[in-house]
Amino acid sequence: DQQVKQNSPSLSVQEGRISILNCDYTNSMFDYFLWYKKYPAEGPTFLISISSIKDKNEDGRFTVFLNKSAKHLSLHIVPSQPGDSAVYFCAASQGDDKIIFGKGTRLHILP
Amino acid sequence: EPEVTQTPSHQVTQMGQEVILRCVPISNHLYFYWYRQILGQKVEFLVSFYNNEISEKSEIFDDQFSVERPDGSNFTLKIRSTKLEDSAMYFCASSEDGIYGYTFGSGTRLTVV
Repeated sequence: DQQVKQNSPSLSVQEGRISILNCDYTNSMFDYFLWYKKYPAEGPTFLISISSIKDKNEDGRFTVFLNKSAKHLSLHIVPSQPGDSAVYFCAASQGDDKIIFGKGTRLHILP
Repeated sequence: EPEVTQTPSHQVTQMGQEVILRCVPISNHLYFYWYRQILGQKVEFLVSFYNNEISEKSEIFDDQFSVERPDGSNFTLKIRSTKLEDSAMYFCASSEDGIYGYTFGSGTRLTVV
């Protein structure tokens, strides 16, 4: 059973608008959440993270929101830029234990 | 839902020993990858494999590393003589198209002592 789910395999957003990528998880013991960005044929690169003791973390154009009661997190990118076109992976971990990745959402920024 | 499975989940090995990390990719996927993440650091690409050969490898993937798809279902990463700095989480991934769709395994934590 998938513990980290990204239910939208793809998303298209107009340049300049807000991109919202969603992620759901099932394990309430997860205490750390991460977003990775991946360009074609490259490995994933770390983007932003959030600890379970927070509900929001912001870094420039990127903001991650965590709703623990709903076991849901989202990544907001505003304004969206062409270079944001990539696959975004949500991941979760519990303590120092392994990271569980979602299957990714492909974001396509339209000109 | 199809998954990429990795075994073992944890492996402790002595420095200088050989270790083999195993992965079973999704059955209809054609592209296979290994990544690693040293604790507290970013995920690093090691190698990609397609059509029974390495298609790309990073600087990390030196002569101590090798990959194999011995039987059409398993995809293995071998480290011939482990070093302390090889301690990391190793992730296997597979892809149907080699471009966007990736499925990651849940990782093997390797500890070299």
